[in-house]
Amino acid sequence: DVKVTQSSRYLVKRTGEKVFLECVQDMDHENMFWYRQDPGLGLRLIYFSYDVKMKEKGDIPEGYSVSREKKERFSLILESASTNQTSMYLCASRFPRTSGKETQYFGPGTRLLVL
Amino acid sequence: GNSVTQMEGPVTLSEEAFLTINCTYTATGYPSLFWYVQYPGEGLQLLLKATKADDKGSNKGFEATYRKETTSFHLEKGSVQVSDSAVYFCALLLSGGYQKVTFGIGTKLQVIP
Repeated sequence: DVKVTQSSRYLVKRTGEKVFLECVQDMDHENMFWYRQDPGLGLRLIYFSYDVKMKEKGDIPEGYSVSREKKERFSLILESASTNQTSMYLCASRFPRTSGKETQYFGPGTRLLVL
Repeated sequence: GNSVTQMEGPVTLSEEAFLTINCTYTATGYPSLFWYVQYPGEGLQLLLKATKADDKGSNKGFEATYRKETTSFHLEKGSVQVSDSAVYFCALLLSGGYQKVTFGIGTKLQVIP
């Protein structure tokens, strides 16, 4: 069974804090993704990575950065948390589109509250 | 650009009722189409998929047919159960070098006994 795990299910942080969200997958997937999920807006892509040390901006990268030092781990960083970053954060992983294995696997999510 | 349109809901049905959740898409190429489901407190998981026109994806009693002529991929189930209560996301993935899945906003389904 593919497993995508996220470091925390719930987090409470203060405005201005630096926040790290960690994601680990055990299926040797090249591609990894960070989304945020908000009511009425669905899933919005923040960043994705298609290889170690490679990253691309998604649709809403402002205020976020990412790190991928190892294939199995993809970190989302909020350099200075703000209240509008209160959200559910979902990590996902997948083989490349060219592999024919198109299913994307998601972690359980981290619900972040910024006070 | 590429987009997926579905109603947000909530859709409220009685147990054993027939379910349809509409999904239409706009894409510049020939996408693969998916339905993902998110149960309360969990991440998304794949429900079914179809990779080319006229393909039918099916799983757990749910079905959806890839209709290229109407650019649609409507989700159906003949008899819903309380355990089907969840949020359902329609999504597409383009062929070629694109790696990003485009999701709809999700449709919340509530099934009452």
